[in-house]
Amino acid sequence: RKEVEQDPGPFNVPEGATVAFNCTYSNSASQSFFWYRQDCRKEPKLLMSVYSSGNEDGRFTAQLNRASQYISLLIRDSKLSDSATYLCVVNNDMRFGAGTRLTVKP
Amino acid sequence: DGGITQSPKYLFRKEGQNVTLSCEQNLNHDAMYWYRQDPGQGLRLIYYSQIVNDFQKGDIAEGYSVSREKKESFPLTVTSAQKNPTAFYLCASSTNLDGYYGYTFGSGTRLTVV
Repeated sequence: RKEVEQDPGPFNVPEGATVAFNCTYSNSASQSFFWYRQDCRKEPKLLMSVYSSGNEDGRFTAQLNRASQYISLLIRDSKLSDSATYLCVVNNDMRFGAGTRLTVKP
Repeated sequence: DGGITQSPKYLFRKEGQNVTLSCEQNLNHDAMYWYRQDPGQGLRLIYYSQIVNDFQKGDIAEGYSVSREKKESFPLTVTSAQKNPTAFYLCASSTNLDGYYGYTFGSGTRLTVV
């Protein structure tokens, strides 16, 4: 079983839509969780950390479900510029999810 | 500003040659990592290092070698034993191997075998 698993998508959504991605992890000892964004042919960049109580950053909301061992990322009011691949990673692992590809269309 | 610098950005290698990819960080991070990414695929861990003069194999270490002689530097050598080296190579670092505060990436080296 992979340590971190994501739905690869692709997710194709219209502008303004709300879209959510999940990421499951296997290491119950993981303490910190992150979502990264990777644009085509670029390096991954930290989008947001995921806190136990959930957290928001503008149109982005991250949630943690320890009981079911998954994290989620919700994007509201999608913009064309949100088109990218979204990767999750947990600490103590060094391994990233394969990424979920999002395309936002006009 | 602190960060990770990878060089070169693009590298072309002839079959049978060894090439070395540079990775330097000035973040004072203890842990450093090398990942390989193929088109449309996720990141695969090649090697990682927790401290100077110590490094461990990741999931796809065959055909690669590394060194960690300085805290700031973690070069990756792609040897002729790596049969399919064309890929995007990413170096990353974190405060320590725990990765509690996340990972910072360099801008990558795109290697092509010609």
